[in-house]
Amino acid sequence: KNEVEQSPQNLTAQEGEFITINCSYSVGISALHWLQQHPGGGIVSLFMLSSGKKKHGRLIATINIQEKHSSLHITASHPRDSAVYICAVSQGSARQLTFGSGTQLTVLP
Amino acid sequence: EAQVTQNPRYLITVTGKKLTVTCSQNMNHEYMSWYRQDPGLGLRQIYYSMNVEVTDKGDVPEGYKVSRKEKRNFPLILESPSPNQTSLYFCASSFRSALGDYEQYFGPGTRLTVT
Repeated sequence: KNEVEQSPQNLTAQEGEFITINCSYSVGISALHWLQQHPGGGIVSLFMLSSGKKKHGRLIATINIQEKHSSLHITASHPRDSAVYICAVSQGSARQLTFGSGTQLTVLP
Repeated sequence: EAQVTQNPRYLITVTGKKLTVTCSQNMNHEYMSWYRQDPGLGLRQIYYSMNVEVTDKGDVPEGYKVSRKEKRNFPLILESPSPNQTSLYFCASSFRSALGDYEQYFGPGTRLTVT
């Protein structure tokens, strides 16, 4: 069993739809990261959170430490949101970063 | 502009020919890492460095070397590349936030093909 599991693996949505990507983990963590990988390959850090909820524009990330679960929400999705979204967990040091397999999101116009 | 740079961005080479992928950051970050990304396997850590002259193995270090002689640079060295090292490589730097966690900044990636 992978330590970090994401669902769904692939997601296709129509422009304007509300999107949720889930991440579950099985280890103790100090923080959870959501990353976005653009079609060209570049990776950008979207959120790092250890409790509660964070919001940047149309993106919202939540984490439930007790349930070992995090969600990434995108409101009013747009084709430019099409990317791979990767969940990763850190376990107290820069070394211990474990990644999920990613969710490929396609938003159709 | 705060950034992590990698060179080269694309490289095709032959088995056994030593190569170095450079990584440099201008944010004065203490922590730097190398990852490889492969289809179906996701991102995996190769090596990391906590500071100058301090490096350690990640999850898949075999066939790679690193050095950290200066804070800003963290080159990845493949002494004798093999086809199974064909991959997309990312360098990242990070700093310890006030909350004690590490926010990652990634380089643009280096696509390596070993024939």
